[in-house]
Amino acid sequence: NAGVTQTPKFQVLKTGQSMTLQCAQDMNHEYMSWYRQDPGMGLRLIHYSVGAGITDQGEVPNGYNVSRSTTEDFPLRLLSAAPSQTSVYFCASSSLGLRAFFGQGTRLTVV
Amino acid sequence: AQSVTQPDIHITVSEGASLELRCNYSYGATPYLFWYVQSPGQGLQLLLKYFSGDTLVQGIKGFEAEFKRSQSSFNLRKPSVHWSDAAEYFCAVVSRGNTGKLIFGQGTTLQVKP
Repeated sequence: NAGVTQTPKFQVLKTGQSMTLQCAQDMNHEYMSWYRQDPGMGLRLIHYSVGAGITDQGEVPNGYNVSRSTTEDFPLRLLSAAPSQTSVYFCASSSLGLRAFFGQGTRLTVV
Repeated sequence: AQSVTQPDIHITVSEGASLELRCNYSYGATPYLFWYVQSPGQGLQLLLKYFSGDTLVQGIKGFEAEFKRSQSSFNLRKPSVHWSDAAEYFCAVVSRGNTGKLIFGQGTTLQVKP
């Protein structure tokens, strides 16, 4: 049972490049979320989904897009990377929000 | 606005001493409450949660937390800290009306002195 799998683990982008962070879960969880973690700011919610085809904005959605075409996958897209998006990104899934399981994180650097 | 506050950014305790990490929330109604721990370079692990009922909840690794409605608090405690408890601790809440939106506090970094 893999749980929540994030890829890649590390990524360096140039300003203006685009990329997609992948997140997959094999627990059949309805809910999935993306967070970014920055020093002194905890984890801030970017986008979340309560089921396939349903997404909503979190606390810091600007510059990020998501879609949820299947229960298992919830990719996060950066359309035009900026240095301010340098961060560690975590994907999480849960059943009805009652306990979240987290991936191991993606460390993204935008230069 | 809904918010979660952890007033202490950094706490240092001696091994064997007791520990209390503070968490305050501001929500319209009592939310579901959680404590997570993150060891260096790792993901997050759930320590304990409160949904309803007994206001003192027990978690893993000897941690407990007490929910106090009158103070909008959910403080984490441990009677005797071990060196392996050094980590970052996050309080998190989710509204009962929208359980997809889990919000975290800023985190408290715990350092344990030998």
